[in-house]
Amino acid sequence: NAGVTQTPKFRVLKTGQSMTLLCAQDMNHEYMYWYRQDPGMGLRLIHYSVGEGTTAKGEVPDGYNVSRLKKQNFLLGLESAAPSQTSVYFCASKDRSGTGELFFGEGSRLTVL
Amino acid sequence: LAKTTQPISMDSYEGQEVNITCSHNNIATNDYITWYQQFPSQGPRFIIQGYKTKVTNEVASLFIPADRKSSTLSLPRVSLSDTAVYYCLVGVPLSSGSARQLTFGSGTQLTVLP
Repeated sequence: NAGVTQTPKFRVLKTGQSMTLLCAQDMNHEYMYWYRQDPGMGLRLIHYSVGEGTTAKGEVPDGYNVSRLKKQNFLLGLESAAPSQTSVYFCASKDRSGTGELFFGEGSRLTVL
Repeated sequence: LAKTTQPISMDSYEGQEVNITCSHNNIATNDYITWYQQFPSQGPRFIIQGYKTKVTNEVASLFIPADRKSSTLSLPRVSLSDTAVYYCLVGVPLSSGSARQLTFGSGTQLTVLP
C-alpha cells in the first residue's frame, strides 16, 4: 500500500498565482487533514474533513480552500498565493474507529516568490 | 481544544533513558494522548498512544498520572537515530463521527549526542 501520497512534492509559485495540492490515501480512512509547517515550527492545522463531501476549518484556514469530492482524495487550493504561504504542507489521514493514528504524507514544499 | 506544553529542546547521550513531559491541563474526558516523532523533511510518525496509567510498546513507554493533566514519553536507551522532534497531541474523534481538531504543539527537539 502507498499510504498517503502528496503531489506535487515541490512547487515554486509567483505571488498571485493559484495552485492545488492533492492528497490521496488508499487506506479507506474517513478523516483527512491538511497541516502547514513553517521552519522551526510545529504543525498547524489548516482544514480537515470528516468524510466525503464535508470540510471544516482548522487553526489557520485563511487563504486556503479545500474539497473532498472523493473519500480517498483531499485537495488544498491556494487561489492567490502570497509569500506568507511559503511552507511545507503535510496531509494526514485517520480512520473513524476508536482512537487510531494519523498517517502522514511526505510533505509538499511550496515557495511563493 | 486541549493545549499542550512541552520543553523546546533536550539533549541526551547514547544509551541513556530520555523522558519528555507534556502538560495538558484542560484535557477532556474523551481525549487520548498521542506522541509523534518527526525527522527533518519527513511527515510525523506515530510512536505511542494512551488514555491513562502506563502504555508500553516496542519503542517507548507512556506514563499518564491519574489526573491526566500531563504525560511522559519515555525512550529507553536512545541512539543517535532518535534525534528528532517529538510532539504530544491531545484529542480524539468523537464516536458521533465529528472530528476534534488534532492540534500539534511546538514539539521537543531531542538531540542525542555520542
